Amino acid sequence: GAGVSQSPSNKVTEKGKDVELRCDPISGHTALYWYRQRLGQGLEFLIYFQGNSAPDKSGLPSDRFSAERTGESVSTLTIQRTQQEDSAVYLCASSLGSGAGELFFGEGSRLTVL
Amino acid sequence: AQRVTQPEKLLSVFKGAPVELKCNYSYSGSPELFWYVQYSRQRLQLLLRHISRESIKGFTADLNKGETSFHLKKPFAQEEDSAMYYCALRGSQGNLIFGKGTKLSVKP
Repeated sequence: GAGVSQSPSNKVTEKGKDVELRCDPISGHTALYWYRQRLGQGLEFLIYFQGNSAPDKSGLPSDRFSAERTGESVSTLTIQRTQQEDSAVYLCASSLGSGAGELFFGEGSRLTVL
Repeated sequence: AQRVTQPEKLLSVFKGAPVELKCNYSYSGSPELFWYVQYSRQRLQLLLRHISRESIKGFTADLNKGETSFHLKKPFAQEEDSAMYYCALRGSQGNLIFGKGTKLSVKP
């Protein structure tokens, strides 16, 4: 479809393993956002890409978290040496630009760290 | 500091009753504010934005700079309004800062 696509939709991993979460934004959207939603909590900002500008990484909780984006296309969020507190739904969103207002969200990737 | 506060985790009303979901923000400068909604088993989606001054599904929200608030209101709640509601503020870097959300439950 034409919406934001995230994979995998569900991931169960063991503590200490690395995981990669993928986001395919809507074609033409220059801005891409990653958020984390822990059970019973709100949306926690992680990282924001806007065109060719340096990403805003101010929300990444530790150096175990990193994200990359290929041009204005796919983004990958990597969590190294996962911990149980990393268990959450990771949401990706894209928008036409930083001033566009409306973010279009994916369905999220549910990560469970055992 | 740039922050969004939604003081109520859960709000429960009866069908036909008025509803107000509270949102307060902290931002220096002119804020850009939004309400997003997540219905059961659906994606998070935009409900309304303050610059549009629109009414969507009977909901309105007025920016009150004096009280730094952007409360969401509807005069007569419907069962289909039951959902998770998030207030959001555009940060100075361009990202969207969300509140913790309020779960609205409309009882028949």
